[in-house]
Amino acid sequence: EPEVTQTPSHQVTQMGQEVILRCVPISNHLYFYWYRQILGQKVEFLVSFYNNEISEKSEIFDDQFSVERPDGSNFTLKIRSTKLEDSAMYFCASRGARGVRSTGELFFGEGSRLTVL
Amino acid sequence: DQQVKQNSPSLSVQEGRISILNCDYTNSMFDYFLWYKKYPAEGPTFLISISSIKDKNEDGRFTVFLNKSAKHLSLHIVPSQPGDSAVYFCAASVGGTYKYIFGTGTRLKVLA
Repeated sequence: EPEVTQTPSHQVTQMGQEVILRCVPISNHLYFYWYRQILGQKVEFLVSFYNNEISEKSEIFDDQFSVERPDGSNFTLKIRSTKLEDSAMYFCASRGARGVRSTGELFFGEGSRLTVL
Repeated sequence: DQQVKQNSPSLSVQEGRISILNCDYTNSMFDYFLWYKKYPAEGPTFLISISSIKDKNEDGRFTVFLNKSAKHLSLHIVPSQPGDSAVYFCAASVGGTYKYIFGTGTRLKVLA
């Protein structure tokens, strides 16, 4: 069964450092997302990406964040200068178009745990 | 601005009985609702969805009910099994947007 894969599974970084989280969405999906979950809290929307551009972003997704689909298969989230409060589990998700064959649900990866010290 | 709320942070149910997980929403523009299950250190896994033009959708042991007038949906699991123990999130989206908004989750514990 196709799945969304994420790397790394866990990254520890120093405050102020740049971090890149990588995702390989399901191959025929067109919509890509990043969500995050701070420990014990809700799953929060960060950004959605479609047709090679950001379609929506939340207030959390400020200038420190960026997303890219550099080569048609990978989908990356970059945090330019990490802060302590960026420590969270980051989930990548993808979906196909809603239609007869798809209910348009998001398929999530296993997550990348980011720890900022 | 909590548009999707799950007011019960936890629920314990005996194995074999029915589990009912509830979700309320405030945005009447939501047209699509989903339930996800999440185990620790794993990504959310899709369970079942419902369009706003329906009031019920069933898939095996899982049934989702939607009450649009009350802006309320619920997930019924029957019979509940110990493997169902997880955190359950409801999510909603507005047609024409790309964003799915998640509730805060309810931790279900099914006791053997």
